[in-house]
Amino acid sequence: ETGVTQSPTHLIKTRGQQVTLRCSSQSGHNTVSWYQQALGQGPQFIFQYYREEENGRGNFPPRFSGLQFPNYSSELNVNALELDDSALYLCASSPWDRYEQYFGPGTRLTVT
Amino acid sequence: AQSVAQPEDQVNVAEGNPLTVKCTYSVSGNPYLFWYVQYPNRGLQFLLKYITGDNLVKGSYGFEAEFNKSQTSFHLKKPSALVSDSALYFCAVRARDSGSARQLTFGSGTQLTVLP
Repeated sequence: ETGVTQSPTHLIKTRGQQVTLRCSSQSGHNTVSWYQQALGQGPQFIFQYYREEENGRGNFPPRFSGLQFPNYSSELNVNALELDDSALYLCASSPWDRYEQYFGPGTRLTVT
Repeated sequence: AQSVAQPEDQVNVAEGNPLTVKCTYSVSGNPYLFWYVQYPNRGLQFLLKYITGDNLVKGSYGFEAEFNKSQTSFHLKKPSALVSDSALYFCAVRARDSGSARQLTFGSGTQLTVLP
């Protein structure tokens, strides 16, 4: 069984640019959540998708947006990048009726 | 609002000794509680969860955790530490009545180092 995969592994962008991060959920998992983990901190919830709709959002501005596709894969888009957006972005998937979430390896975004 | 506190940034223990990583939480109502482990340059790996029932829950790799409602704690334990247990450990909470969003709120993490 393939776990959660994310692409790319690393990314370097310039302030003001836009970025798209991708996540393939584990087989059979219809819920995808995105988290931001700044250096030395715990992950912070960005938003969650279920059945292609956003069903929960953390304290992140609207320039953070996402999509979920019919195959349950997901994208995280960040517009107008700021230096503070530099972080490890983690995708997590789960079946709707499970309590724990399963995380991918993350995408390391550096904004210069 | 829900929150998690991990009061120790760093825990050092000798191999073969018991280890404890502390976690306290704050949430409205009853909690769902989780422990995850993160190795360098890797995502988070699920260890164990408390949902309901027995306050002592057992998880992967010999880890266990004890839920204490009166102290709002969920400390991670292992009877005999291994050098390979050295990693960053995160405690997380989710409110039982969180509605549609099943977001996890994480602590700041505890770096566990097991000394040979």
